[in-house]
Amino acid sequence: GALVYQYPRRTICKSGTSMRMECQAVGFQATSVAWYRQSPQKTFELIALSTVNSAIKYEQNFTQEKFPISHPNLSFSSMTVLNAYLEDRGLYLCGAGTGNNERLFFGHGTKLSVL
Amino acid sequence: QQKVQQSPESLTVSEGAMASLNCTFSDGTSNNFRWYRQHSAKGLEVLVSIFSDGEKEEGRFTAHLNRANLHVSLHIREPQPSDSAVYLCAVSPYNNAGAKLTFGGGTRLTVRP
Repeated sequence: GALVYQYPRRTICKSGTSMRMECQAVGFQATSVAWYRQSPQKTFELIALSTVNSAIKYEQNFTQEKFPISHPNLSFSSMTVLNAYLEDRGLYLCGAGTGNNERLFFGHGTKLSVL
Repeated sequence: QQKVQQSPESLTVSEGAMASLNCTFSDGTSNNFRWYRQHSAKGLEVLVSIFSDGEKEEGRFTAHLNRANLHVSLHIREPQPSDSAVYLCAVSPYNNAGAKLTFGGGTRLTVRP
């Protein structure tokens, strides 16, 4: 079956340091990968969408300089939170989709705490 | 920009009574609609996806889409205490949007034994 693995599941970093999270698609080709953040007491916000053969598109309030994303092949993506501060706390979710938009899979997320 | 709103913010029902959740969206050209469930700040469990007007049933979960009214609902038949969670409505803006979704704020459902 199709699955999306994210790691680490939980992580703690010191304020001002950076943290990288990874997303692995198994059993299907992840032609698009979206990264979301759920801040405490909020819903999921789209950070950026990466589609194969297209530039990575960041949503308003999120930048490549802060959240660089790599999507080198159809099974893997990573995102780094650079210079993490308290407002970057939350659950970061990777969603991977197939090209026809009918199938979409999510990982369990990476919970980031910042000290 | 797409706006997705859910109501009510919280809902308490007794075990076995039907639970109904609502979701409105602002972009009438939206293509795909999904309901997810989230247990305690964990990942998302997809419940039902619907792409055309009418109803779609997946087990005890039924989604009803009325695109003209910009409304999609979720009905949970015979809810159990284990169904207590936050339910999220998510909308795809257009065909082949890939993994791009706009989420509603969620409805926190509590099912009393």
